[in-house]
Amino acid sequence: QITLKESGPTLVKPTQTLTLTCTFSGFSLTSSGVGVGWIRQPPGKALEWLALIYGDDDRRYSPSLKSRLTITKDTSKNQVVLIMTNMDPMDTATYYCTRRRAQGAFDIWGQGTMVTVSS
Amino acid sequence: DIQMTQSPSSLSASVGDRVAITCRASQSISTYLNWYQQKPGKAPNLLIYVASSLQSGVPSRFSGSGSGREFTLTISSLQPEDSATYYCQQSYSIPYTFGQGTKLEVK
Repeated sequence: QITLKESGPTLVKPTQTLTLTCTFSGFSLTSSGVGVGWIRQPPGKALEWLALIYGDDDRRYSPSLKSRLTITKDTSKNQVVLIMTNMDPMDTATYYCTRRRAQGAFDIWGQGTMVTVSS
Repeated sequence: DIQMTQSPSSLSASVGDRVAITCRASQSISTYLNWYQQKPGKAPNLLIYVASSLQSGVPSRFSGSGSGREFTLTISSLQPEDSATYYCQQSYSIPYTFGQGTKLEVK
């Protein structure tokens, strides 16, 4: 069974740095075309893709957020970490960790973690 | 960035109806188009990938078609459990982008 689960703070203050961890099981990040990505969804709004990492450490970012994002992986722990700096109330959203399959669809999703940015 | 535009933004239909949701890309994306279903408080669920391939475990009443810039998600016989918001997503180029969503109510 393939699972992904997000963990991290539920509340951060403006200007702080957010660190989210995705712990996955049931698949290998080394498989061809497979990656782990982060997608967020502000309350009542659409989905927004943020970042993606592959097993060969190739990393891709949303251009609009690239200066604030870092994605890394720890293959030994089956974890992917997303760091987002300089958090703003507009970053309040549910953050999802998801598996990217070959051809770019996100086929398995974590349950999501709600992050609120407020002082 | 490739812009994805869905229509309609919302619709209401009855059990047993056939419905179609359209997704248009701002440029050609070949068949790199995926469809998701999202129910309130839940993560999205992949329905269709590369425009017309049915994801494992998804009922056969869901189908996808299209290529280039225009795509369609069709539900052949609506069921009550199909009430949800549907999103398209292009995987042709980074940044991956989603449509704004179509909220479907099943009466």
